[in-house]
Amino acid sequence: KQEVTQIPAALSVPEGENLVLNCSFTDSAIYNLQWFRQDPGKGLTSLLLIQSSQREQTSGRLNASLDKSSGRSTLYIAASQPGDSATYLCAVNGGSQGNLIFGKGTKLSVKP
Amino acid sequence: DAGVTQSPTHLIKTRGQQVTLRCSPKSGHDTVSWYQQALGQGPQFIFQYYEEEERQRGNFPDRFSGHQFPNYSSELNVNALLLGDSALYLCASSLGQGDEQFFGPGTRLTVL
Repeated sequence: KQEVTQIPAALSVPEGENLVLNCSFTDSAIYNLQWFRQDPGKGLTSLLLIQSSQREQTSGRLNASLDKSSGRSTLYIAASQPGDSATYLCAVNGGSQGNLIFGKGTKLSVKP
Repeated sequence: DAGVTQSPTHLIKTRGQQVTLRCSPKSGHDTVSWYQQALGQGPQFIFQYYEEEERQRGNFPDRFSGHQFPNYSSELNVNALLLGDSALYLCASSLGQGDEQFFGPGTRLTVL
């Protein structure tokens, strides 16, 4: 059974810092992996999608990497801003099931 | 493109009642998935609809049922509501089973 773990559960950093959020999964047979952002009480915004054949994806100040063999993904945020404060969720898609399996998220707070 | 839309935004019901939540997928998407997100947790997969049929189902009781219409919009029905059904219900759409999923803003259900 696929399980997704995100560490740390919460993170507080001063504005301008570069930071890394971690995601691990137990079954390496994934179709793709998505990183999402969720603001309090809101829906999920897709940040990056990495296909199983890819090693990384970049969008602006965000860079996500994927190491399927070790069951790990990282989300790198460069030059963090207060507007980056949110909960970041990692989810894997097993393909054959067609559904996403989520971690519990990392709550990020960027202080001005 | 309006993206994924959900209605209503908020809903308050009492135990034992029934509720219907609605979702319109992103333009061009044919697959709709429903997730339940309890406070402080990652979303949990309820079921997925494709071509008006339930294709996959998560570990949820039969009180949770759904429907997909010919225009790909979908409904989630929950019967005999329990206090534990209080959560944010998220709808996601995609083009195909393993493709990137886009989420709506969610419906906040409170059961008293």
